[in-house]
Amino acid sequence: QLVQSGAEARKAGESLRISCKGSGYNFGDYWIGWVRQMPGKGLEWMAFIYPGDSHTKYSPSFQGHVTVSVDKSINTAYLQWTSLKASDSAMYFCARQDSLGYRFFDPWGQGTLVTVSS
Amino acid sequence: QSVLTQPPSVSGAPGQRVTISCTGSSSNIGAGYDVHWYKQLPGTAPKLLIYANNNRPSGVPDRFSGSKSGASASLAITGLQAEDEAEYYCHSYDSSLSGSDVFGTGTKVTVL
Repeated sequence: QLVQSGAEARKAGESLRISCKGSGYNFGDYWIGWVRQMPGKGLEWMAFIYPGDSHTKYSPSFQGHVTVSVDKSINTAYLQWTSLKASDSAMYFCARQDSLGYRFFDPWGQGTLVTVSS
Repeated sequence: QSVLTQPPSVSGAPGQRVTISCTGSSSNIGAGYDVHWYKQLPGTAPKLLIYANNNRPSGVPDRFSGSKSGASASLAITGLQAEDEAEYYCHSYDSSLSGSDVFGTGTKVTVL
């Protein structure tokens, strides 16, 4: 399963790092993907990281604004911002992503709600 | 900026069959990339419903089925039940713009 860190409230311009801890499987064998869901909106793929070698891939829409990282020693992936915007207010999900070709997301973390005030 | 288009809503009476379409293009579904489907209840994380076009994970009822043809895919729900009321999303890979995973626009299923 994947367990995410709790809800966060920040001001615009502040930094933030949220986490996603995996258990029950070999953490290094699967990608971890990050997905944004803005209030009342659909799902948007942001990035993935492969814990085995820390290889990353970002959606062009999020490249340069967020950074994904991993600490394989504690089976934890991270999503971080150095300068939040009010438009970053959303629910963020991590999900284990199949790395053998299918690319589906399963399971998902419970989500971390990020609220950014201006 | 979803590149996979779904109808905003579909509805049906209990016991009926409903289908949800997911229309893509030659750089995603039409290029042969697999389509996956997720169900999301309000306030919860999405859950995998169908993977690789027509495969059900263990625990998913056989009332749910997927298909793919050309640049489109479909999710069918037969014997509609009250607990099927949720938002449904398709997901595939798009080879344009250096390659990205992409989700559909989402479809709200209402059980009348």
